[in-house]
Amino acid sequence: EAGVAQSPRYKIIEKRQSVAFWCNPISGHATLYWYQQILGQGPKLLIQFQNNGVVDDSQLPKDRFSAERLKGVDSTLKIQPAKLEDSAVYLCASSFGQGGYGYTFGSGTRLTVV
Amino acid sequence: AQKVTQAQTEISVVEKEDVTLDCVYETRDTTYYLFWYKQPPSGELVFLIRRNSFDEQNEISGRYSWNFQKSTSSFNFTITASQVVDSAVYFCALSEAGAGGTSYGKLTFGQGTILTVHP
Repeated sequence: EAGVAQSPRYKIIEKRQSVAFWCNPISGHATLYWYQQILGQGPKLLIQFQNNGVVDDSQLPKDRFSAERLKGVDSTLKIQPAKLEDSAVYLCASSFGQGGYGYTFGSGTRLTVV
Repeated sequence: AQKVTQAQTEISVVEKEDVTLDCVYETRDTTYYLFWYKQPPSGELVFLIRRNSFDEQNEISGRYSWNFQKSTSSFNFTITASQVVDSAVYFCALSEAGAGGTSYGKLTFGQGTILTVHP
C-alpha cells in the first residue's frame, strides 16, 4: 500500500515570499491532517479535513496560512507571506474516518525561511 | 484542554541496557487514545502503538513494552536490550474521543524524548 506522499521534500525561501506544499493521502482515507513541527518540539495540528470539509482549523494562522482539499483527496497548504518563525517541518497525515485508525504520516516538507 | 508531558528531554544509554521513556497526560475525557511514535533522523513519524483508555492491559511487542496506568495518567514505554538502531526521538501523543467513542483524530504530542544508544 502506498503511503502518504508529500512534496517538495525541502524548500528554502526568503521571508515575505509565498510557498505551497502538496499532500496525497492514502487511498480511501477520508481524514487528512496538516501538522507543523518546529525544531525540538512535537508536531502541532494546523488543520484537519474530513473529506473536503474542515473539521478543525483553530490553530491555523489564518492571516497567512491557507489550506484546501480538492475533491476530498489531495491537499495543498499555502503560506503567504512567510515569516522566519514559519521555518519548520510540515507533516501531512491521513486516517480512516475520524477514528484515528490507520493514522499514517508522510515524510514531511522541511521549510527554511531566510 | 489535553496535554502530554514527556519529562525526559534526552536519554543516553549503552547498547543492551533497558530504557524507559515516561509519558504523563492530562484530559477531561473518559474516552481517549494514547499513541507512541518514533522519529528517526530521516524525519518520518513511525507508528508504534495505539491504546484506548478502556484497555489498561500492558502490551509487549518484541523488545518494546508499554505500561498504561490510568490511576497516574501515565503511559510509559520500555525498550529492553536497546540497540543502536533504537536511537531516535520518541513522541507520546493523546487523542480525545467524541460521543460514541470515536476519536476526533487530532493528536496532541509531547515535546519528545531524544534517545541515543551508544555501541
